[in-house]
Amino acid sequence: QSALTQPPSASGSPGQSVTISCTGTSSDVGAYNYVSWYQQHPGKAPKLMIFEVTKRPSGVPDRFSGSKSGNTASLTVSGLQAEDEADYYCISYAGANNLGVFGTGTTVTVL
Amino acid sequence: EVQLLESGGGSVQPGGSLRLSCAASGFTFSSYAMSWVRQAPGKGLHWVSVITGSAITTWYADSVKGRFTISRDNSKNTLYLQMNSLRAEDTAVYYCAKGGSSGRLEYWGQGTLVTVSS
Repeated sequence: QSALTQPPSASGSPGQSVTISCTGTSSDVGAYNYVSWYQQHPGKAPKLMIFEVTKRPSGVPDRFSGSKSGNTASLTVSGLQAEDEADYYCISYAGANNLGVFGTGTTVTVL
Repeated sequence: EVQLLESGGGSVQPGGSLRLSCAASGFTFSSYAMSWVRQAPGKGLHWVSVITGSAITTWYADSVKGRFTISRDNSKNTLYLQMNSLRAEDTAVYYCAKGGSSGRLEYWGQGTLVTVSS
């Protein structure tokens, strides 16, 4: 399985929105509604922010939202805050006989 | 409160072996698939292996197939990763996580560093 493609970086000013894309294929992102997003601060373990494309675990602010169109999933962070500066990774399910696949990661900078 | 605590990391020479453990608490361990995910220094996340709650089914990344073995002891609420024939490229922080190949990895341990070097 090849890694899902994410832009290496994204940025925005406080209060603005930033959207990160996650592009896969018709065998993973495009085939299933099982895309998750993770936030990772330096030296810390990843934290689940979105699962099943659009769902937020309890405790995750509603500033974080997910969507999908075709083979591309997206994470939008609205109302950017300083603490949103982190690395973000997507994951997609890839079928019953396959390990899922991670995205390449995107570093979000709050200007 | 869900807790995952990895142990067993360290330094090893190429070709050597290590066994990682992940002690779980705060949930019904046997009811959930569990995963190992690794992150090489300064690099992204990569799934290593997944095991179902019953331990009947396992999956491995191509890069570790035949060298690593995932297992679990549901009586001890513990997940394991036996790593043999270690290579320099296996150097990474290894995380255990609650969840399987759907990608919903709800909880993560703090990670344990494995360094493979001569």
